Amino acid sequence: DGGITQSPKYLFRKEGQNVTLSCEQNLNHDAMYWYRQDPGQGLRLIYYSQIVNDFQKGDIAEGYSVSREKKESFPLTVTSAQKNPTAFYLCASRRRQGVGTDTQYFGPGTRLTVL
Amino acid sequence: AQSVTQPDIHITVSEGASLELRCNYSYGATPYLFWYVQSPGQGLQLLLKYFSGDTLVQGIKGFEAEFKRSQSSFNLRKPSVHWSDAAEYFCAVGASGNQFYFGTGTSLTVIP
Repeated sequence: DGGITQSPKYLFRKEGQNVTLSCEQNLNHDAMYWYRQDPGQGLRLIYYSQIVNDFQKGDIAEGYSVSREKKESFPLTVTSAQKNPTAFYLCASRRRQGVGTDTQYFGPGTRLTVL
Repeated sequence: AQSVTQPDIHITVSEGASLELRCNYSYGATPYLFWYVQSPGQGLQLLLKYFSGDTLVQGIKGFEAEFKRSQSSFNLRKPSVHWSDAAEYFCAVGASGNQFYFGTGTSLTVIP
């Protein structure tokens, strides 16, 4: 079955540690996205990537980093510079970037808790 | 600037009653509109989408939405709500550029 997988589902880390969230898709989509979700704030875009080896900052990129070495993978690193990292993180993909009619499909999410 | 507004943070309806969730958008060009549903601790699932043509679109799980350009609205409706419809609902605009713009969501509670 085609889809987007995120791992792990729950992640606990100590303050000051970097942590990497995994996102893999087998939909052959060009574009991939990372969102952060906090209660009452909807989805906020962290980073997106249109093609391999290319990515752009979203609205709240500070304290986060990404890589896109393979089309199917778009890992997100939450660094110690992120002041309030506890949140629910959603990965999404889209067949093509820049085409408004292309639907975004979402993974199941990773809940990160920093202790 | 593009934006999406969902004026109702939380709605409670009785099982079997009708439902309407409001969505207003601000976008200069032709909007591409989407409704997603999210169960607790899960990702977002697409309910329906509107690109062009018939302004009343049908989606999964018995949902429908109507695009009204004059009101800049894309409200989601369901004639008879089931307890399993309790979830968070997000409206989104797919701009022709790089981003999707999401509303802040409406939380639906269904009471027996």
